[in-house]
Amino acid sequence: RKEVEQDPGPFNVPEGATVAFNCTYSNSASQSFFWYRQDCRKEPKLLMSVYSSGNEDGRFTAQLNRASQYISLLIRDSKLSDSATYLCVVNLANDMRFGAGTRLTVKP
Amino acid sequence: ETGVTQSPTHLIKTRGQQVTLRCSSQSGHNTVSWYQQALGQGPQFIFQYYREEENGRGNFPPRFSGLQFPNYSSELNVNALELDDSALYLCASRPGPNYGYTFGSGTRLTVV
Repeated sequence: RKEVEQDPGPFNVPEGATVAFNCTYSNSASQSFFWYRQDCRKEPKLLMSVYSSGNEDGRFTAQLNRASQYISLLIRDSKLSDSATYLCVVNLANDMRFGAGTRLTVKP
Repeated sequence: ETGVTQSPTHLIKTRGQQVTLRCSSQSGHNTVSWYQQALGQGPQFIFQYYREEENGRGNFPPRFSGLQFPNYSSELNVNALELDDSALYLCASRPGPNYGYTFGSGTRLTVV
């Protein structure tokens, strides 16, 4: 079993749609959690941290369920500029493990 | 504030050669990690350095080695290059253990 597993995608959605990404992790000792965004042939960029209480940043909402070892990202009112690969990231004490990523394409 | 910078941006090497990649961490960041990203895959953790000591390592063979310097900059060395080592190598730094990493733009290595 992979340490971090994500929806395989790709997701192709129209502008204005709501899209949800899911992620599960295998190591219960994981300490912190993040979503990153990666554009084609660019480096990953931190999108947001993920907390058990849930957190929101504009159109983006992230949620963590430690009991189920499950992380989610919700994007509301999607824009063309949201097209990218979204990476789920789990942090142990001395390393961060990335999922394989889910590709999102938002179409006009 | 200067972010994470990596050099070179692109590199072509021959199988069996050795390569050194360099990284300057973001100001105030004492932890550096290196990742290998093959096309269509997520970044794979190579190792992490904290205050000049390796304190975490992924599933990479010993021919992948590194250094961190007192100014927190870092090097990744790969010996006996193989064709499968062709990838984007990403350096990332962070100020502490539960912070997210800031990535450099990477070095694209091609082994022929």
